[in-house]
Order: sequence, then structure tokens, then C-alpha cells
Amino acid sequence: AQKVTQAQTEISVVEKEDVTLDCVYETRDTTYYLFWYKQPPSGELVFLIRRNSFDEQNEISGRYSWNFQKSTSSFNFTITASQVVDSAVYFCALIPPGSGNTGKLIFGQGTTLQVKP
Amino acid sequence: DTAVSQTPKYLVTQMGNDKSIKCEQNLGHDTMYWYKQDSKKFLKIMFSYNNKELIINETVPNRFSPKSPDKAHLNLHINSLELGDSAVYFCASSAGLAGWETQYFGPGTRLLVL
Repeated sequence: AQKVTQAQTEISVVEKEDVTLDCVYETRDTTYYLFWYKQPPSGELVFLIRRNSFDEQNEISGRYSWNFQKSTSSFNFTITASQVVDSAVYFCALIPPGSGNTGKLIFGQGTTLQVKP
Repeated sequence: DTAVSQTPKYLVTQMGNDKSIKCEQNLGHDTMYWYKQDSKKFLKIMFSYNNKELIINETVPNRFSPKSPDKAHLNLHINSLELGDSAVYFCASSAGLAGWETQYFGPGTRLLVL
């Protein structure tokens, strides 16, 4: 079965704190793709990052960084020095193309991050 | 300039009515999708189309009928609306069906069935 679990339903931090959002996935496929999306209060879904299963290098983009570990089936997302504008719902998602190229994105439940001033 | 657009943004209607949501993308993509986000924010795919051909119908009731007149458009028609259809519906597009293709989402249509 393919599944994405974001165990943290809600996280609240104070501005400038670092925060890590956890994502654990399940798939039997050896090739798969992982994504993070941000949904700010305005409601749209914004693409943040894509990572394929062959590339375990960590990625950094400004204050955002991602830690992909195949050994623990995790793809965690860290925001350094959080800001109020980071307040949003963050979704981790998986495409397991081994089951056929259907483009089906499997989403986690989402983590609501609140950054207080 | 908007890459994936949806109309309307808000839709309030009575139970039993029929309504349509339109989606257009100007990214030149071959593949389009409809996702449903429920009141608990859970996102689930409903349909995917590739070059106007239906690829996924994710056990969606027959009352939901997608239509793709061309690669740039994917509309969603809903017959006999029910209370449980209240949700946010997102359209998305990607260059193709391959797993590495990033899906870009529209702003969502908030449907409220009274």
C-alpha cells in the first residue's frame, strides 16, 4: 500500500524559531517521487520541492531545507528562523509510478504551522 | 499570467442542483487533474486526463463528470448536488503523467451545498 503520514497535526512556534515538519511514507516501489506543497491561509496550493528516490542529498533553499532518508522512509522539512508568513498548512505527497503512470499524487494529512510574532 | 485558473472561486448552491467548475491552464501541459479537499483538509485525486483522455477515475460517483474539450481545459460537472459534495475542488496540471512531473494547482473552487 502507498501511504503518506504526517503525524503532526498542528505546530505552533514563535517567530525566529526553527521548526521541522515530519513526513513518513510507505511504498513498495523502488522508484518514486516525493513532494512538499504549502497551502497558505489564502487557500492556494504552492509547490515547494520535488525529490526522486535515487537522490538522497539534502536540499536547501533559503530558510527551507529538506532531509530525505530512505532508510527510515522519511522526507522531513525544516524551516529555519521561521516567520509569520510561513504560517500555512504543509502537505507532503508521494507519486509511486511503479503502479503505472497515472500521475496520482498521494497526500499526507497536512501539518498546520502557526508562527506567532 | 495565471498558470492554472479556475472559475468560479466560490459556489453556493442548493441540494439537487447541477453545477459546473471550469479549469484552464496556459502552461502547455498535456495532463490535467481534479482533486477534492474535504473539511479536514484532506486532499484526494478524483480524475486525471492526459491529452484529453481519461486516465484515472478514482471511484468518484457518476454524478461527477469531467470533460476535456482540449488539452488546456478540464471542466467538472456535478449533477444532483448533495450536502457531502461541499468541499474545495482543485484543478492541477503537469507536463505529463510521469512521476517526476510536478503538478501545479489552481486557486481552488469552494463549493458549499445548502
